[in-house]
Amino acid sequence: NAGVTQTPKFQVLKTGQSMTLQCAQDMNHNSMYWYRQDPGMGLRLIYYSASEGTTDKGEVPNGYNVSRLNKREFSLRLESAAPSQTSVYFCASSEGLAVGTDTQYFGPGTRLTVL
Amino acid sequence: LAKTTQPISMDSYEGQEVNITCSHNNIATNDYITWYQQFPSQGPRFIIQGYKTKVTNEVASLFIPADRKSSTLSLPRVSLSDTAVYYCLVGDSQNTGTASKLTFGTGTRLQVTL
Repeated sequence: NAGVTQTPKFQVLKTGQSMTLQCAQDMNHNSMYWYRQDPGMGLRLIYYSASEGTTDKGEVPNGYNVSRLNKREFSLRLESAAPSQTSVYFCASSEGLAVGTDTQYFGPGTRLTVL
Repeated sequence: LAKTTQPISMDSYEGQEVNITCSHNNIATNDYITWYQQFPSQGPRFIIQGYKTKVTNEVASLFIPADRKSSTLSLPRVSLSDTAVYYCLVGDSQNTGTASKLTFGTGTRLQVTL
């Protein structure tokens, strides 16, 4: 099992450009998450998805859109990138729907720089 | 989800036992306590989870007093490879509608030296 995979690993964008971060999991998990982590900070939840076609906003959803394409894949889109979105982005998944207690499995992260 | 408070950083020598305490004064009846570990340039990794008293696995122990308002992660005989950030989360096992409140906080940065 590859677990949770993310592409790309690194990306540099110019202000105003758009891009999509891809995430896939092969553990047949129901829940998937997108987090961002700024230098010296903890992880902040951007969006959460409990199942295909359903998404919920997290703590910092502004400037992002997500799509739960199927049970395996959960993508994060930046429509018009801003320097404030420079961060490391982590995707995670968990088996059930209890976001407060289910063990989350994280991908390796995508390091995004917006110039 | 209950708010948690942890020390920002801790230092230890290799071979010592390290105890990291997390305060969660407003923990609710259905809440569990979960700890994650994050190495530089990696995503967090689950360490241990508990509800009350003591839980032990091959990596760590988790001590939770009777009032459950705090918890202590204990790492026995740390090595250099235990240098990481440790996060405490408190969450409800029954409530599936709390994603917007899910937060890892800033965690405790543990530095282990020789």
